[in-house]
Amino acid sequence: DTGVSQDPRHKITKRGQNVTFRCDPISEHNRLYWYRQTLGQGPEFLTYFQNEAQLEKSRLLSDRFSAERPKGSFSTLEIQRTEQGDSAMYLCASSLARVAGGEDDEKLFFGSGTQLSVL
Amino acid sequence: SQQGEEDPQALSIQEGENATMNCSYKTSINNLQWYRQNSGRGLVHLILIRSNEREKHSGRLRVTLDTSKKSSSLLITASRAADTASYFCATDRLGPKVTFGTGTKLQVIP
Repeated sequence: DTGVSQDPRHKITKRGQNVTFRCDPISEHNRLYWYRQTLGQGPEFLTYFQNEAQLEKSRLLSDRFSAERPKGSFSTLEIQRTEQGDSAMYLCASSLARVAGGEDDEKLFFGSGTQLSVL
Repeated sequence: SQQGEEDPQALSIQEGENATMNCSYKTSINNLQWYRQNSGRGLVHLILIRSNEREKHSGRLRVTLDTSKKSSSLLITASRAADTASYFCATDRLGPKVTFGTGTKLQVIP
């Protein structure tokens, strides 16, 4: 399977604990996105990377959230001191951005998400 | 924050009928895309329409875009039970950030 994979699929944690999620994008994709989605809502943008550079962060991404993409391949999203309000589905997506790319470059390919429950 | 709002929030139709859902957005865009999400899963890209296009077709899907009204519609013809899902519009401005709407939950009854 060469799609976007996320690990773990589900995470249950206690308030105050730290959690880390991993995303492996499609191998040739140079852009990687993180979104958060709560029940009945659309995905909310958190951050995106172009290769290893984090180019934009949402104001939703408080100082308890940090994302990395150290070698421009996989990415991790860490949440420190989790709160009940952090309970959500965390989605990762990747895309291929080329200088003279066509429509296919604009498509986002999503993983199945990590469902976080903070008790 | 959500850039787009879909209307209706929920739609229930019989198999074989057409389903139309609408998206309104707030700012000028470069592209508008539609995605589908089955329950508890990631999103799947359906179709993209550029800001200089007015209509686009792909199989049973027809998308229209009216940039003067900042709105788009997605028509699914001859719906099937397998079309049951949530549908989201997504827009990007002049950069890579893609912002999603609130979604329409479609139920197709066999």
